[in-house]
Amino acid sequence: AQSVTQLDSHVSVSEGTPVLLRCNYSSSYSPSLFWYVQHPNKGLQLLLKYTSAATLVKGINGFEAEFKKSETSFHLTKPSAHMSDAAEYFCVVSEAGRRALTFGSGTRLQVQP
Amino acid sequence: EAQVTQNPRYLITVTGKKLTVTCSQNMNHEYMSWYRQDPGLGLRQIYYSMNVEVTDKGDVPEGYKVSRKEKRNFPLILESPSPNQTSLYFCASSSTPRSSGNTIYFGEGSWLTVV
Repeated sequence: AQSVTQLDSHVSVSEGTPVLLRCNYSSSYSPSLFWYVQHPNKGLQLLLKYTSAATLVKGINGFEAEFKKSETSFHLTKPSAHMSDAAEYFCVVSEAGRRALTFGSGTRLQVQP
Repeated sequence: EAQVTQNPRYLITVTGKKLTVTCSQNMNHEYMSWYRQDPGLGLRQIYYSMNVEVTDKGDVPEGYKVSRKEKRNFPLILESPSPNQTSLYFCASSSTPRSSGNTIYFGEGSWLTVV
């Protein structure tokens, strides 16, 4: 069975400082991992995905994530936060042939001026 | 432009009054699904469809129905809505679930309130 744990429900950073959103996963098979972002009153937008190629994945808007199999982690980072990054972020795991994505419970990122 | 379109985006309805939330995608995707989002729970799958006339239950199917008569459309039906179905609903599609790395496209969500 697959599962996802987002370790922080809320993260607050100052504009211009680094962002770290933590995600651990559990999967029986080689999973694919995604990060999605949801801005207020908006749908879900794909930030990046890992599909067993390079373990360091670069996404949109300066975000990147590193797949660490030994730690079963897929943390999302950004070197310098921008006010527009304030949103909710979801870590998602998918296994080939499984009927559903498994979502983490989400991390709300606040960016202070 | 690749799109998943849901309607209505916002709806307030009364208990027991049947309603349908439509979902349409323009990418010729085989796979479509419905999720509900509730605070602290992330998104949970309600129903999914692997292709036309092929549908199956997700993790939280109680109180919902779906149909897939055409490839592009996948409506969600609440025959007799109840207040515990108040939620934010997302429709999603992808080319196939067999390859786990395929990108899933989401609609913008439908806010449903049942009073």
